[in-house]
Amino acid sequence: EPEVTQTPSHQVTQMGQEVILRCVPISNHLYFYWYRQILGQKVEFLVSFYNNEISEKSEIFDDQFSVERPDGSNFTLKIRSTKLEDSAMYFCASSVERWPFNTEAFFGQGTRLTVV
Amino acid sequence: SQQGEEDPQALSIQEGENATMNCSYKTSINNLQWYRQNSGRGLVHLILIRSNEREKHSGRLRVTLDTSKKSSSLLITASRAADTASYFCATDQGGSEKLVFGKGTKLTVNP
Repeated sequence: EPEVTQTPSHQVTQMGQEVILRCVPISNHLYFYWYRQILGQKVEFLVSFYNNEISEKSEIFDDQFSVERPDGSNFTLKIRSTKLEDSAMYFCASSVERWPFNTEAFFGQGTRLTVV
Repeated sequence: SQQGEEDPQALSIQEGENATMNCSYKTSINNLQWYRQNSGRGLVHLILIRSNEREKHSGRLRVTLDTSKKSSSLLITASRAADTASYFCATDQGGSEKLVFGKGTKLTVNP
């Protein structure tokens, strides 16, 4: 069964460093998303991406964040200068159609980012 | 406003019993979805129910939606130890692509 793959599963970084979280969405999917979950809190929307551009972003997704689809298979989230409060589980998701209106999205297993 | 608030926050039952989790939301929705998350793992989509649907079944799962009360329930019948996980409801917000999750119900099924 096709799945969304995220790497690494766990990343530890020093405050102020740049991190890139990687995702390989399901191959025929056209819509891509990043969500995050701070420990013990709700899953929060960060950004949606379609046709090589951001289609929607939340207030969390400030100038420190960027997303890119560098090739036909990868979808990345970059945090330029990490802060302690960026520590969270980051989930990538993809869907065939525009979600959440008509269809389910498939989530990856997440990358746990720890900023020290 | 907050969307997708589940209750109870935690539920512990014996294997074979039914588990019911509830979700309330505040604004109008296009659909409501339920997800499962095993500890420290990714989110698994369980079921989507559209605003014009009242009930939906998938295997041992039964979801109801009452748009007049802005609430939904997830029933897991004949629970198994493997159902132990956190369950989240998630709703859309109007024309936004953002899906809003609740804090979830942590279900423990004891063998």
